[in-house]
Amino acid sequence: DAKTTQPPSMDCAEGRAANLPCNHSTISGNEYVYWYRQIHSQGPQYIIHGLKNNETNEMASLIITEDRKSSTLILPHATLRDTAVYYCIVRLPFAAGNMLTFGGGTRLMVKP
Amino acid sequence: DGGITQSPKYLFRKEGQNVTLSCEQNLNHDAMYWYRQDPGQGLRLIYYSQIVNDFQKGDIAEGYSVSREKKESFPLTVTSAQKNPTAFYLCASSPTGTITEAFFGQGTRLTVV
Repeated sequence: DAKTTQPPSMDCAEGRAANLPCNHSTISGNEYVYWYRQIHSQGPQYIIHGLKNNETNEMASLIITEDRKSSTLILPHATLRDTAVYYCIVRLPFAAGNMLTFGGGTRLMVKP
Repeated sequence: DGGITQSPKYLFRKEGQNVTLSCEQNLNHDAMYWYRQDPGQGLRLIYYSQIVNDFQKGDIAEGYSVSREKKESFPLTVTSAQKNPTAFYLCASSPTGTITEAFFGQGTRLTVV
């Protein structure tokens, strides 16, 4: 699976959009981009995934650049409960066991 | 409700003792995984299983053992051979062969004294 690079930490004001970047310059054509988040001392929670097109669900939007070398997770109106570590993961669709490789992630702090 | 359950939430053991962490899912998922997380770090894969009676080592399998006798259950044993067993352990499950999300349990925090 391709390696990802994320900033270690970011701050965001409550009510504002949080834009979390992820670089995956070695991504291959059939690798998907996944985002998970982990609130302190809990199990990770799936947020969204995509291949080429931008995706949106009730939690967030995922913007993938045309060359697919980077992506941005957008939380449109961040709340205090969005404070968590956000993990960007790329993987093949039928990777052995569909296992996920987690890097260090970005620690997002939403402030009042 | 469907989900994945880990028990206990907190576990204390003396050094040199084996300990088994429980993971049960009722999501009818074929694949199950065990991850370890140390403070301030990401998750590292210990073992995974794609089907009953079969499992593979992940990146840090030394000192751990697993079994997959039932689809619903994937217990992890932390043996005395694991040099630094104190950590947060997370179990996950997912369907296989499709682009899907993985579902995680709430974790077991193991402290060895």
